[in-house]
Amino acid sequence: EADIYQTPRYLVIGTGKKITLECSQTMGHDKMYWYQQDPGMELHLIHYSYGVNSTEKGDLSSESTVSRIRTEHFPLTLESARPSHTSQYLCASTEGVTYTGELFFGEGSRLTVL
Amino acid sequence: QKEVEQDPGPLSVPEGAIVSLNCTYSNSAFQYFMWYRQYSRKGPELLMYTYSSGNKEDGRFTAQVDKSSKYISLFIRDSQPSDSATYLCAMSGASGTYKYIFGTGTRLKVLA
Repeated sequence: EADIYQTPRYLVIGTGKKITLECSQTMGHDKMYWYQQDPGMELHLIHYSYGVNSTEKGDLSSESTVSRIRTEHFPLTLESARPSHTSQYLCASTEGVTYTGELFFGEGSRLTVL
Repeated sequence: QKEVEQDPGPLSVPEGAIVSLNCTYSNSAFQYFMWYRQYSRKGPELLMYTYSSGNKEDGRFTAQVDKSSKYISLFIRDSQPSDSATYLCAMSGASGTYKYIFGTGTRLKVLA
């Protein structure tokens, strides 16, 4: 079983609130990712990191921000949540010594913005 | 055009049936091909992993990659109700990046 954890699993908040979705992994993986998943849609990459102090925006434009101060921790922050941010957010990591490797996912954080 | 196309289903089959799930892709640079299984309210988990063209078998599951046709398949033999889940194809290895591109997922229901 993958050692990657996301909190909270479920969150319902009002418009304008600041939220942080936590993601931690205990596998020592350098590469970490945030995906957004909506029903019937493919996973969209919104942020990724290839190591400490390295973060990049993904292919899907997002108003969220991320930080990578420690290898094991990759939090995602929304400064002012809106109903359009309602979605499932999945955190993932990989060892990826070559071009790729098994991508391990957390169980997801389901966000609802009222 | 999406880089990866996958029929979203849903697909309902009786227990014991052979299931065929497919994805097509447009980027010939992809080198690594994966199938993930996602149960309801859970994160995806890796089911099969294939490098380049060819077949790979693991128990009741067989993954096929045809790079010339840009087509990948997952076959499930003797399907079980516990196989009911969403199956996502994923690809990576293009442009020297560590990015993974996913299909929309096919929802499968195996009826007892």
